[in-house]
Amino acid sequence: DAKTTQPPSMDCAEGRAANLPCNHSTISGNEYVYWYRQIHSQGPQYIIHGLKNNETNEMASLIITEDRKSSTLILPHATLRDTAVYYCPIASNTGKLIFGQGTTLQVKP
Amino acid sequence: DAGITQSPRYKITETGRQVTLMCHQTWSHSYMFWYRQDLGHGLRLIYYSAAADITDKGEVPDGYVVSRSKTENFPLTLESATRSQTSVYFCASSELGLSTDTQYFGPGTRLTVL
Repeated sequence: DAKTTQPPSMDCAEGRAANLPCNHSTISGNEYVYWYRQIHSQGPQYIIHGLKNNETNEMASLIITEDRKSSTLILPHATLRDTAVYYCPIASNTGKLIFGQGTTLQVKP
Repeated sequence: DAGITQSPRYKITETGRQVTLMCHQTWSHSYMFWYRQDLGHGLRLIYYSAAADITDKGEVPDGYVVSRSKTENFPLTLESATRSQTSVYFCASSELGLSTDTQYFGPGTRLTVL
């Protein structure tokens, strides 16, 4: 199963874009990259997922490198409510999610 | 529109006692999952179920028992609780269990074993 590596913490100024990196160098060809966030130990909240193409939805954008060994989640205009722990689990072909340690994003006024 | 719920939300028990954590989903999703999250760590898969009466082990199944007699329910039982099972437990579900299917998580149960 693919493992993920993320920086433990990041800061971002309110209103600016937050770019959260994730390394998944052992990802297999049919495994998807997912992004979730967790606020105050609530249940993880789904953000976005992708296979190899860049994806965008109302919450965020996902940029996946051509070799698929890393990805970046972009929150275009971070707000204080985006302060959370962000995870980039990989979904195996059986649908199981493999979580790493996550990145604590602190959005500052 | 309840989605996925867990009960109880908080539980304190003693070492050696049996405790059951409940998970209920209203989407008729085929797949359900149990994870545990220890302080400062990511989530680890305990057990999962592909359908009623079909369950399989995840990464950390020891000390846990699951059953799934109905599609909408997936209880997790600690037959003889230990202090190392103090954790936050999350239940999740997905429609077909494929890598393209999003897992949706419940609010969690915080379990303390004294």
